[in-house]
Amino acid sequence: QQQVKQSPQSLIVQKGGISIINCAYENTAFDYFPWYQQFPGKGPALLIAIRPDVSEKKEGRFTISFNKSAKQFSLHIMDSQPGDSATYFCAASSQAGTALIFGKGTTLSVSS
Amino acid sequence: NAGVTQTPKFQVLKTGQSMTLQCAQDMNHNSMYWYRQDPGMGLRLIYYSASEGTTDKGEVPNGYNVSRLNKREFSLRLESAAPSQTSVYFCASSVIPTGMNTEAFFGQGTRLTVV
Repeated sequence: QQQVKQSPQSLIVQKGGISIINCAYENTAFDYFPWYQQFPGKGPALLIAIRPDVSEKKEGRFTISFNKSAKQFSLHIMDSQPGDSATYFCAASSQAGTALIFGKGTTLSVSS
Repeated sequence: NAGVTQTPKFQVLKTGQSMTLQCAQDMNHNSMYWYRQDPGMGLRLIYYSASEGTTDKGEVPNGYNVSRLNKREFSLRLESAAPSQTSVYFCASSVIPTGMNTEAFFGQGTRLTVV
């Protein structure tokens, strides 16, 4: 059973456009929702994270939107740049859990 | 600042061979993890160690064993490699278990091919 469902699997966006990646979860005990960014040949690195007591968190061009009632959260990348081309993973965890549960990833390609 | 270091970076094994993937962190973290990454499957947890002296199974532990050698080092062993274990393996660490809402730091990965 996939605990964190991520879509789309791949995404192509023009330079300057908005990239949107969506995730949905089932476990209502999840209380931490990070996004990780991975460049080819590298390990994933934390990009931005949110807790369910807020509906939105913004860091520069990256924004997480969180909808607790729908059990969904999304990553928005404004003014997408070729340097943003990478694989993005959403994840979730709970205080009672042990480790992060990851989505299957989205490969983003920003064309110049 | 090295962070999380994995060795080797690349390895080719024959079916049935054994090997150990090494991982060391220099951030004085308590928790360490092994994930595997396969195309279209995301990152799946193999084993983790919440603290020195403890290890627990993750989502896909079959065919693997681990050893938390000390606070810094966490190794992953394949006793009898199978082609299904062809993957990219990532070691990660965190100051406290990531289930407690903290950041995981990843190594650069080991690309393993089993033929």
